[in-house]
Amino acid sequence: DAGITQSPRHKVTETGTPVTLRCHQTENHRYMYWYRQDPGHGLRLIHYSYGVKDTDKGEVSDGYSVSRSKTEDFLLTLESATSSQTSVYFCAISDRDQRNTEAFFGQGTRLTVV
Amino acid sequence: GDSVTQMEGPVTLSEEAFLTINCTYTATGYPSLFWYVQYPGEGLQLLLKATKADDKGSNKGFEATYRKETTSFHLEKGSVQVSDSAVYFCALTSDYKLSFGAGTTVTVRA
Repeated sequence: DAGITQSPRHKVTETGTPVTLRCHQTENHRYMYWYRQDPGHGLRLIHYSYGVKDTDKGEVSDGYSVSRSKTEDFLLTLESATSSQTSVYFCAISDRDQRNTEAFFGQGTRLTVV
Repeated sequence: GDSVTQMEGPVTLSEEAFLTINCTYTATGYPSLFWYVQYPGEGLQLLLKATKADDKGSNKGFEATYRKETTSFHLEKGSVQVSDSAVYFCALTSDYKLSFGAGTTVTVRA
């Protein structure tokens, strides 16, 4: 299995509080991604990173920010959590240098905003 | 932008039945196509892939053929088992971003 660790695995937080989710990889892959998974929507890309300190927005980036200060860590922050951000969050990594760019996924973080 | 459309579920089958999940895509350039599977309580894992037109990806009895003329990548399995119960996602990457379909939940009954 690819070395991807998400933390925490479960979190319950109150509306309006900041929350940070962590993704840690041991594969030295250049690309890292944050997705959210919601019923009927599949996986939607929040933000991604193509290198240290290089990040860009995905399709559902409003209310989220990210940081990548090291190759191995990619942090997702909800500045002020809302109930609409209750979801399961997945981190993924990939190596663009391969044409068949398989992505490897973490186990997910279930976030509940009450 | 790139997008993937897959058949809506849920799909319920009996063991040893034939499974087909339709997937079509819209993309610029020459995407690679993937099927990912998510078992209950787990993250996604790659099931099979195809990187160019007419390629056939296969794994664990599942197959899908990259059809450029119909922009499709339908997933098939000839005889499903209870252990195939999962959510299946069609996806593409034409650069380094993955675009996923909405997912199809498959339940196989003994």
